[in-house]
Amino acid sequence: QVQLVQSGAEVKKPGASVTVSCKASGYTFSTYYMYWVRQAPGQGLEWMGIINPTGGATTYAQKFQGRVTMTRDTSTSTVYLDLSSLTSDDTAVYYCARSYYDILTCDYWGQGTLVTVSS
Amino acid sequence: QSALTQPPSASGSPGQSVTISCTGTSSDVGGYNYVSWYQQHPGKAPKLLIYEVNKRPSGVPDRFSGAKSGNTASLTVSGLQAEDEADYYCGSYAGNSKGVFGGGTKLTVL
Repeated sequence: QVQLVQSGAEVKKPGASVTVSCKASGYTFSTYYMYWVRQAPGQGLEWMGIINPTGGATTYAQKFQGRVTMTRDTSTSTVYLDLSSLTSDDTAVYYCARSYYDILTCDYWGQGTLVTVSS
Repeated sequence: QSALTQPPSASGSPGQSVTISCTGTSSDVGGYNYVSWYQQHPGKAPKLLIYEVNKRPSGVPDRFSGAKSGNTASLTVSGLQAEDEADYYCGSYAGNSKGVFGGGTKLTVL
């Protein structure tokens, strides 16, 4: 069965960086795009970006340009989200979600990773 | 890109129908037939309900339906049930591999 299993919760200080991982199983990793979506406490979903596991091409939301990096490791079927220069506004649950095409049809989601930024 | 516009709340009694709107622009909702809808219960990950405006994934009840007219998409939940109480989000392709979500609508079953 398809599973997207994310890394555990993180607590970071302002200015630090965080890495969240998402390990895929139950399907052919290279055939699905992977999105990263975040949700601040009590807020809505926010599109952060997308990575094509074949080749690693990425597209990021303009809001995060310069401080977000999405990568993948095809040998372990894992995608990574790196977010730097953290502020309290980055406190959120971060989700990975797969889509067969890059048209935001996310049929499977990870369980979410809470990142808390606090001094 | 700006978030799509959804009403913050909607409600209906069991058995009734409710429609949630999602308004974007010609650069997202109006420009492509790639609107999706997600249901999210508290503390859970979103679940895909509708994709490509009006298609339902396997396992999603046909009580859920989607439509689009111009820059506005809509989700209709017919025959409301208690378990339909949740947050609902629309999403749209916005060109060049980009995406955008709506602000979400909290559906209350009275």
